[in-house]
Parts: sequence; C-alpha cells; structure tokens
Amino acid sequence: GQNIDQPTEMTATEGAIVQINCTYQTSGFNGLFWYQQHAGEAPTFLSYNVLDGLEEKGRFSSFLSRSKGYSYLLLKELQMKDSASYLCAARDSNYQLIWGAGTKLIIKP
Amino acid sequence: IAGITQAPTSQILAAGRRMTLRCTQDMRHNAMYWYRQDLGLGLRLIHYSNTAGTTGKGEVPDGYSVSRANTDDFPLTLASAVPSQTSVYFCASSEGVDTGANVLTFGAGSRLTVL
Repeated sequence: GQNIDQPTEMTATEGAIVQINCTYQTSGFNGLFWYQQHAGEAPTFLSYNVLDGLEEKGRFSSFLSRSKGYSYLLLKELQMKDSASYLCAARDSNYQLIWGAGTKLIIKP
Repeated sequence: IAGITQAPTSQILAAGRRMTLRCTQDMRHNAMYWYRQDLGLGLRLIHYSNTAGTTGKGEVPDGYSVSRANTDDFPLTLASAVPSQTSVYFCASSEGVDTGANVLTFGAGSRLTVL
C-alpha cells in the first residue's frame, strides 16, 4: 500500500535549527511536497522536490532521496511564527497526492 | 484577492440532513479537489475534478457527491449526513493535474459537525 510516515510532534527552541523527516512508499513517484499549516488555517505550499538533492528557499530547505524514499524539511533560525504543522505529501504515478498526518512543531522561547 | 472561498465556515448538522459545502475559485485553475482532515490522519481526497465538466472519486468518496458545471465552482454535497462525516473539509485548486509542481491552493476550510 501507499504510506507516508513523519513524526507526530517535535519541539525546538527559537533561533535553533530543526529537521523534520518524512519517509514514503508510493506506487510510482512524481514529486515530494511540503506544506505548512497553522492551527485552524489552510495548508500553504512550502517546497517541491522531484530530483535528488537539496532545494533551498530562504530559511527553509527540503531534501529528497528517491532511492531511499526519504525527504526532510530543514528550518533554520527558528521563529515563533514557525510553530505549525508541517505536512509531507508524495505524488504517485497517477498524479494523486498521498499525505502524511503532519508533524506539529512547537517552538519554545 | 485571488483565491478560494468556502462556505459555510462552520456548521452543526443533524444526522440524516442534506448539506452542500460551497467552493469558488477565481484563479481560473483547471483542477479542483475536496479533502477532509481528521485528527491524526493525513488529508484524504474525497472527490476531484481535472477540468470543468468532469469529476472523479478519491480515496473516501462514499456518502459524498460533487459537480463541476463551470471552472469556478465545485460544490460538495452530503446527501444524508452521518456522524462519521464530522470533519474539517478543505477545497483546493491547481493549474492542472500533471503540470510541473501542480501546487495546491487551499480554501480556509469548513468545519462540519454531524450530531
């Protein structure tokens, strides 16, 4: 079956770095997405990886290893506003998104 | 402001009642989607539409129906609501199913409680 695994919750300190891991198993693969969702709000797009390697976008970076079925989202210089859930999603051969349950990130001062 | 509008924001509904959640986008996106989000679970696709006039079933379509009469509107109907349909419902849209990244834009969500 198709499956996405990511930690349920993580805690980090303001100003620090945190890495949120995601492993996936899908029927075929057409890209890996990260979305951010603040409590009570809609998910918003953060990053997209389809080739192996690191994609950097400001304080956020996303990494993909297709051979390992693995991705991570790296957040640097954490700010209180980064407290949110981070959703990992993989797109399968039918271009359907398979979503993880999300990782709730708690930032402490 | 370009985006997706969902209505109602929240609703409490008696079991057995019919309910339509409305979704309108003004970005001229081809594809639209309905997801439900439940605690501890990932977003689950209910129905989708790749273009106006066509619809398809997602992962959890039972008890729901959709229509796509035009590009902008994609209503979701619960014919006879049951308590297990208590959830937060998100409508989303994208330019096209297999166009590059095909980033989803989400509406603000509709919180539905079925008693």
